[in-house]
Amino acid sequence: EVQLVESGGGLVQPGGSLRLSCAASGFTFSSYEMNWVRQAPGKGLEWVSYISSSGSTIYYADSVKGRFTISRDNAKNSLYLQMNSLRAEDTAVYYCARDRGASVMDYWGQGTLVTVSS
Amino acid sequence: QPVLTQPPSASASLGASVTLTCTLSSGYSNYKVDWYQQRPGKGPRFVMRVGTGGIVGSKGDGIPDRFSVLGSGLNRYLTIKNIQEEDESDYHCGADHGSGSRVFGGGTKLTVL
Repeated sequence: EVQLVESGGGLVQPGGSLRLSCAASGFTFSSYEMNWVRQAPGKGLEWVSYISSSGSTIYYADSVKGRFTISRDNAKNSLYLQMNSLRAEDTAVYYCARDRGASVMDYWGQGTLVTVSS
Repeated sequence: QPVLTQPPSASASLGASVTLTCTLSSGYSNYKVDWYQQRPGKGPRFVMRVGTGGIVGSKGDGIPDRFSVLGSGLNRYLTIKNIQEEDESDYHCGADHGSGSRVFGGGTKLTVL
């Protein structure tokens, strides 16, 4: 069974940092591209970042470029999102999502809540 | 980049059918759209991808045959037949815009009466 479990969310002050993790199981993690997608309270989904299976290709949404860094450790079956210079508008539930190919995000985790507030 | 527009809400009676719509902005009629189901308090679940020719590829794991899609012009439709209580969810549409980026609609909240 494919499982994606996010962790690392919490309350952080504006300007602060947080590192999210996504633990993958039930599939060969190193063969799949991965994404982070977020959802602000009561809002729709917003794509945040993409990383290829090897980690060699990375993309970011303009809203987080220069502040967030996506990475992965295929030996640990884990995906990460380092978030710096956090702003109130970054408050959201953050989901990791597997890309099964052709840019189809077929499995998502349950999410981890990040709240940026003083 | 394309803008995806969804009505904020829809409703249908138990056992009835409902069609949800995702409308692409002008100039993007060739785009495929992915449908996602999000039950309350849960992460999204991939339903299926749709283009102007209908379904593209395979459905998401465990998606029942009651779910089907169609595409026409700028519109991408998700139809649910014989609606069940467990279908009450938010339904999101999304599109791949290249270079890893995706855009999403605002989502439609489906209420089962």
